[in-house]
Amino acid sequence: KAGVTQTPRYLIKTRGQQVTLSCSPISGHRSVSWYQQTPGQGLQFLFEYFSETQRNKGNFPGRFSGRQFSNSRSEMNVSTLELGDSALYLCASSNYNEQFFGPGTRLTVL
Amino acid sequence: AQTVTQSQPEMSVQEAETVTLSCTYDTSESDYYLFWYKQPPSRQMILVIRQEAYKQQNATENRFSVNFQKAAKSFSLKISDSQLGDAAMYFCAYRYMEYGNKLVFGAGTILRVKS
Repeated sequence: KAGVTQTPRYLIKTRGQQVTLSCSPISGHRSVSWYQQTPGQGLQFLFEYFSETQRNKGNFPGRFSGRQFSNSRSEMNVSTLELGDSALYLCASSNYNEQFFGPGTRLTVL
Repeated sequence: AQTVTQSQPEMSVQEAETVTLSCTYDTSESDYYLFWYKQPPSRQMILVIRQEAYKQQNATENRFSVNFQKAAKSFSLKISDSQLGDAAMYFCAYRYMEYGNKLVFGAGTILRVKS
């Protein structure tokens, strides 16, 4: 079974731009969660989508948004990028009891 | 709000020896999951072990075992016969079952394995 895939793996943007990250979960998994990992704040939950509906949301500003498609693939969007948005963004797909993480997208904001 | 605390920023262990990583958490809930994840330099998060709060028996996966003390809200990870490949950042995580798949992570412990 193929694992969780994330694209792109690396991204460089400038302040004020917007970015879209993509996550393809493991086949059959309906839940996709997103996390932001930074040296200062550690791993923080962004949001979770289940069957195309946002089920949970973390404490992030409205510039961070996401969606899930009918095939369970998910995208997250960050608008008006700030330097502090530089981070590793991880997505995880779940089969109820366990979460399987993708390799992450490294976003650098200049 | 639930919080997870890992008080050891860094630990070292000699190859083939045993090491224990500490984790405490704060919650008012009774039904939840606890996890240990490993993140090697590749940044790929790998599930090491899982514990359901309603189970009194401590989880074990090969060389990895936990000491789950529900009343004390403590969840430590013991790695036996440490190997060079165990070197990584280890994260303790909590999941409340009513909050879907949201994980609350601790700050992590860097484990170094000496040959």
